[in-house]
Amino acid sequence: GAVVSQHPSWVICKSGTSVKIECRSLDFQATTMFWYRQFPKQSLMLMATSNEGSKATYEQGVEKDKFLINHASLTLSTLTVTSAHPEDSSFYICSAKSGTSRFFYEQYFGPGTRLTVT
Amino acid sequence: KNEVEQSPQNLTAQEGEFITINCSYSVGISALHWLQQHPGGGIVSLFMLSSGKKKHGRLIATINIQEKHSSLHITASHPRDSAVYICAVNTGTASKLTFGTGTRLQVTL
Repeated sequence: GAVVSQHPSWVICKSGTSVKIECRSLDFQATTMFWYRQFPKQSLMLMATSNEGSKATYEQGVEKDKFLINHASLTLSTLTVTSAHPEDSSFYICSAKSGTSRFFYEQYFGPGTRLTVT
Repeated sequence: KNEVEQSPQNLTAQEGEFITINCSYSVGISALHWLQQHPGGGIVSLFMLSSGKKKHGRLIATINIQEKHSSLHITASHPRDSAVYICAVNTGTASKLTFGTGTRLQVTL
């Protein structure tokens, strides 16, 4: 089956620094990748949708200058949390959609990255 | 009111029991997903369905489009089934998902 990986799986950083999270599709080409955030005991919230080679589309309320998304290749998207603050501490999950998927709704989730900002 | 509602929010069962988790939605959808999230956080896609019924091992997912309702059944439950089960829907032709709040399942020996 389709596999999506994320790196790192967890990261601790100091307030004010930037952190980059990678999302890779390992055995398929992902034309679209989604970035989600999940706070403790809450459900996932979509942050942005990125299509390969174009700018990401951000959901309302998500600061595009703070959460930089790059989808430079068909197998890699990155999320950079700039000038991180403790309130950015969360679980970040990506999912990927194959360009050859038979169904538009097929997407595969990564294992997530737990970010703690101290 | 959330567009996607799940019930129950929490569920405790003994090993071997038959489990049902329900998902109701208030919008028109094109597909519904059942996801499993283990305590470590990683998410596994269990089912993607747009009609009828799907079965995979001990898991069965059904959907009734007219009633805007889906159920996830687990037969012969096992402690390793303990996880949060999340229902999510696609609306229209959009790939983005709207998520329910999840059902926390604990299966005990």
